[in-house]
Amino acid sequence: DAGVTQSPTHLIKTRGQQVTLRCSPKSGHDTVSWYQQALGQGPQFIFQYYEEEERQRGNFPDRFSGHQFPNYSSELNVNALLLGDSALYLCASSFSGYSLDEQYFGPGTRLTVT
Amino acid sequence: RKEVEQDPGPFNVPEGATVAFNCTYSNSASQSFFWYRQDCRKEPKLLMSVYSSGNEDGRFTAQLNRASQYISLLIRDSKLSDSATYLCVAVKTSYDKVIFGPGTSLSVIP
Repeated sequence: DAGVTQSPTHLIKTRGQQVTLRCSPKSGHDTVSWYQQALGQGPQFIFQYYEEEERQRGNFPDRFSGHQFPNYSSELNVNALLLGDSALYLCASSFSGYSLDEQYFGPGTRLTVT
Repeated sequence: RKEVEQDPGPFNVPEGATVAFNCTYSNSASQSFFWYRQDCRKEPKLLMSVYSSGNEDGRFTAQLNRASQYISLLIRDSKLSDSATYLCVAVKTSYDKVIFGPGTSLSVIP
């Protein structure tokens, strides 16, 4: 049973570029949440997708957008990249009927903006 | 003020020691609390949920004090493998935004 997978593992982009990160949830999970974790900080909640809709959103600008597909996989898009967007981007999946303690994280995508 | 705050650490303790971490939360509407463990350059993994009555899992004990709005994690008989960053989480409902604390780094020394 595959857990949460994310791609790519690492990514280097230039300021002003756009990036798309991908996440496949754990089998049986239908909800995907995205987090940004800067070095030395805790993960910051970006947004959560359920039934292909954004259900909750953290304090991130509109440059951060997402999508969930019918197979529950998800994408995180970031436009007009800034140096401060350099971070580890984590995806977590869960099943809508369970409580939060059933949330599983993927290994993350490490984004470097130069 | 951050919504969830933790002891900044780092905590450097010898093997076998008992260590306690505290975490405070500012939103009194928070209903669910968790401790996650994160190893260097890895993803967070759930360590334990925190229940109102307190709960224990082997060497780990979590406590919740709603009146003072803090939670704690106690680790007894520390092992080298306990070295990690411990993240505190508070959330209002299962479907609300999840707030992580900044984490407390623990190093267990031989």
